[in-house]
Amino acid sequence: GQQLNQSPQSMFIQEGEDVSMNCTSSSIFNTWLWYKQDPGEGPVLLIALYKAGELTSNGRLTAQFGITRKDSFLNISASIPSDVGIYFCAGQAVSYSGGGADGLTFGKGTHLIIQP
Amino acid sequence: KAGVTQTPRYLIKTRGQQVTLSCSPISGHRSVSWYQQTPGQGLQFLFEYFSETQRNKGNFPGRFSGRQFSNSRSEMNVSTLELGDSALYLCASSLRGTGANVLTFGAGSRLTVL
Repeated sequence: GQQLNQSPQSMFIQEGEDVSMNCTSSSIFNTWLWYKQDPGEGPVLLIALYKAGELTSNGRLTAQFGITRKDSFLNISASIPSDVGIYFCAGQAVSYSGGGADGLTFGKGTHLIIQP
Repeated sequence: KAGVTQTPRYLIKTRGQQVTLSCSPISGHRSVSWYQQTPGQGLQFLFEYFSETQRNKGNFPGRFSGRQFSNSRSEMNVSTLELGDSALYLCASSLRGTGANVLTFGAGSRLTVL
């Protein structure tokens, strides 16, 4: 099946630092999504990307859909304490078998930790 | 606008039992997907329902099943529970039925199998 490699697995950062994480895939995706999950909650959508090469921002967050359609990155600028959590990339291929979109394939997540 | 509601939030079962989890999507959303989240495997797609029909299915055994009702509410069932079924089960709904599918997730149902 499809595999997503997300890195790094965890990041220890100081408040105010910029953060960068990425995902690579062995398959082509038509949509890339970035989610954040806080403890005890479901993932919350941060950014959705629909076109190869697309660069999209949401406040301090910026994400890009790679030209090859096999990768994406997420940057967080000037991190703040509430940025702590687990960030997931997710890719989606479109099924042409008459059904709908395939389910999302998720990366294993990047744990973002603020060092005191 | 209410979000995706999942019940129960927490439950404990023993091996061999079965469990039914419920999901109420965002009003107007017709597509409901289910995911299993475990520390080892991460988030894995179970199945997706649209207009009461299962459209896509992940790589899970037949013990995992689901259904969707005419009001778009969905249930998933796991029969003959195994220890490895302990996980957070997430339901997500979306407005669009096909193409790019931006999902809104519920808070999940945490199942512990003893």
